[in-house]
Amino acid sequence: EVQLVESGGGLVKPGGSLRLSCVASGFTFSSYSMNWVRQAPGKGLEWVSSISSSGSYIYHADSVKGRFTISRDNAKNSLYLQMNSLRAEDTAVYYCARARGNLLRSAFDIWGQGTMVTVSS
Amino acid sequence: QSALTQPASVSESPGQSITISCTGTSSDVGGYNYVSWYQQHPGKAPKLMIYDVTNRPSGVSNRFSGSKSGNTASLTISGLQAEDEADYYCSSYTSSSTVVFGGGTKLTVL
Repeated sequence: EVQLVESGGGLVKPGGSLRLSCVASGFTFSSYSMNWVRQAPGKGLEWVSSISSSGSYIYHADSVKGRFTISRDNAKNSLYLQMNSLRAEDTAVYYCARARGNLLRSAFDIWGQGTMVTVSS
Repeated sequence: QSALTQPASVSESPGQSITISCTGTSSDVGGYNYVSWYQQHPGKAPKLMIYDVTNRPSGVSNRFSGSKSGNTASLTISGLQAEDEADYYCSSYTSSSTVVFGGGTKLTVL
């Protein structure tokens, strides 16, 4: 079964850091671009970051640029999101999603169940 | 990058058809055929329904179809069923090498 499982969410104070992980199974992880998408409580979807299959190309939304870093370890079938200098507005469910084809241009065809990040003092 | 514009809510009766619009600019929706549509039920992860404007992934009902005219993309659902009640989001690739989502549309099947 094709599956993505996120972990690492939790409660963190403003200015703090958190590292999210996403483990893939059921497909050849190293062949796909991967993405992070977030959804604030009661709000819509927001694209956060994307990384190419090899990890050579990385893109971040302006709202997280300089604070968040996407990375991957193809040997471990894992995707990561390092989140620093967290703000209250970063509070959201964070989804890991697979791109069905070309980096950024392709739809997200497989999604994880999400992990909740709450930034609050 | 501003979010794509979708109606906040739409409603229709079972068996009828409905169309949800997604308006952007020539820098996103109008400039590329990389528009996708997602369905999200409460408390669940989004599900891909349409990719590259008009294409349906395997397993998605042919009651769902997509189209585009100028800077506006549309999702049409025919033969509405109770299980279609959900939030729907469009997304597009942009000329800034980013991805932008619409604000979402809540579909109510009366």
